Amino acid sequence: KQEVTQIPAALSVPEGENLVLNCSFTDSAIYNLQWFRQDPGKGLTSLLLIQSSQREQTSGRLNASLDKSSGRSTLYIAASQPGDSATYLCAVNRGGGGADGLTFGKGTHLIIQP
Amino acid sequence: GAGVSQSPSNKVTEKGKDVELRCDPISGHTALYWYRQSLGQGLEFLIYFQGNSAPDKSGLPSDRFSAERTGGSVSTLTIQRTQQEDSAVYLCASTPEGYGYTFGSGTRLTVV
Repeated sequence: KQEVTQIPAALSVPEGENLVLNCSFTDSAIYNLQWFRQDPGKGLTSLLLIQSSQREQTSGRLNASLDKSSGRSTLYIAASQPGDSATYLCAVNRGGGGADGLTFGKGTHLIIQP
Repeated sequence: GAGVSQSPSNKVTEKGKDVELRCDPISGHTALYWYRQSLGQGLEFLIYFQGNSAPDKSGLPSDRFSAERTGGSVSTLTIQRTQQEDSAVYLCASTPEGYGYTFGSGTRLTVV
């Protein structure tokens, strides 16, 4: 059964710092990996999607990498801002749908101090 | 529409009442998922639709919960005889399978 682990569980840094969030998964047979952001009491906003054949994706100040063989992904946030404060979730998609189709990590709760 | 639409965004109901939550997925997305997120918890899978059929209902917490999807589009999640432990944010997502998931903004259900 796929397991997704996110480290750290929580992170608090001063504004302007670059930071890295880590995600690891136990089964490398995945279709893609997706990073989401969730603000308190809200839904999930997709940040980046990396297909299994890709190594990285970039959007603005965000860069996500994928090393499928080692079961790891990182989300790099450059020049962090207070508005980046949220919970960041990593999810791996094995395809085929169902309860195991998309497996989430427990998230990293990020606070950017002004 | 451009995204996944859920309604209502907030619902407060009395214990014992029935509630119906609606999800309007992105047009053409064949797969639709319902998740539940209780306060401070991770996402809990409820049910998955492929087209109008639900091959995986394994996550429904009890027989008070049911869901349907019609026309390969709109889905409704019904909770009968609501209990306080049903209070949570209910999230819907759709995907064209093998690609990314798009989530709605959720319905915050409060049972008083």
